[in-house]
Amino acid sequence: DIQMTQSPSSLSASVGDRVTITCQASQDITDYLNWYQQKPGEAPNLLIYDASHLEIGVPSRFRGSGSGTNFNLIISSLQPEDVATYYCQQSDHLPFTFGPGTKVDIK
Amino acid sequence: EVQLVQSGAEVKKPGESLKISCRGSSYSLDTSWIAWVRQMPGKGLEWMGIIYLGDSDTRYSPSFQGQVTISADKSITTAYLHWSNLKASDTAMYYCARGRDGFGRALDIWGQGTMVTVSS
Repeated sequence: DIQMTQSPSSLSASVGDRVTITCQASQDITDYLNWYQQKPGEAPNLLIYDASHLEIGVPSRFRGSGSGTNFNLIISSLQPEDVATYYCQQSDHLPFTFGPGTKVDIK
Repeated sequence: EVQLVQSGAEVKKPGESLKISCRGSSYSLDTSWIAWVRQMPGKGLEWMGIIYLGDSDTRYSPSFQGQVTISADKSITTAYLHWSNLKASDTAMYYCARGRDGFGRALDIWGQGTMVTVSS
């Protein structure tokens, strides 16, 4: 299985801050990398697919970048409603494994 | 609007069997891939497997192969997750989700989740 790592595991930032979450794959996954947001008590929600494509309805402050083994999720201006855990997922090789998650809260 | 509606919470004893369901609201789902994702209490997401509703082509994560069975009924656009011998370690929230593209790579529509509790 492809192993996914994320850093940091948690972060606290102020409203309006730029936030970057990093995801690394154990082998080349080209651009088959997705990002999900999961708020407490809710199902996950797809934010970004294929590394950089914004899912319909997702605010433009979310941006994805990267290819190969290294990827980033950037929140350009953190909002209170962005408090959540963020997961990356590779979808290049079965099984389509998730990263361990990054918990984001407001300072 | 396409929705996935999952069956309700379950409380079972170790050794019992269980089948939970995930019903799609649109007939167009019969050409979709549906994945199952486990989330143990306080933990992250684990990809269990995926099934194509059109012909029931199924792929499992090695971690779940032999532990669960994924099946589907295309005529009612419903996917299932089945255990024949539940363990306490199966206690978790289980989500189904639709693949947004040809092989279900990204999961764009999620069910509300089914909480399964296994306790003696």
